[in-house]
Amino acid sequence: KAGVTQTPRYLIKTRGQQVTLSCSPISGHRSVSWYQQTPGQGLQFLFEYFSETQRNKGNFPGRFSGRQFSNSRSEMNVSTLELGDSALYLCASRGLDNSPLHFGNGTRLTVT
Amino acid sequence: AQSVSQHNHHVILSEAASLELGCNYSYGGTVNLFWYVQYPGQHLQLLLKYFSGDPLVKGIKGFEAEFIKSKFSFNLRKPSVQWSDTAEYFCAVNAMNTGFQKLVFGTGTRLLVSP
Repeated sequence: KAGVTQTPRYLIKTRGQQVTLSCSPISGHRSVSWYQQTPGQGLQFLFEYFSETQRNKGNFPGRFSGRQFSNSRSEMNVSTLELGDSALYLCASRGLDNSPLHFGNGTRLTVT
Repeated sequence: AQSVSQHNHHVILSEAASLELGCNYSYGGTVNLFWYVQYPGQHLQLLLKYFSGDPLVKGIKGFEAEFIKSKFSFNLRKPSVQWSDTAEYFCAVNAMNTGFQKLVFGTGTRLLVSP
């Protein structure tokens, strides 16, 4: 079974631009979560989607948004990028609510 | 709000030494508890999990953790570490009050095992 796939692996953007990250969950998994990982803050929850609906959201500004498609694939968008948005963005999927998350390799975003 | 504390940010051990990494969480209701590991250059992998039942859970690669409800703790242990255990270890909790949808992580512990 293929794991969680995130594209692209690396991105370099400049301040003010916007970026879209993509995540394909494990086949059959309908829940997709996004996390931001930075050296200072660790792993911070961004949001979670299930059947195209956002069920839970972390404490991030509205510049961070996401969506999920009918095939469970998910995208995350960050608008008006700031230097502080530089981070590793991780996507995770799971089959049932009460089951562990399976993580992808992440997209490393650098904002200059 | 839930929070997870990992008290050791960096741990250095020699091979064959015993390991214990502390993890405490703040939430009084029903929780699921996890330890994830991130080897250099690799993605986060599940080491072990506790949902219910026996509070002593065994995971992969000889790791185990004990859930002590009265202490809100879920410490990770391994009797004898190997050089290949060098990695960053994360404790995580999700709770029934968020439908188990939001996983809250500790800040991680970097373990360096010297050969």
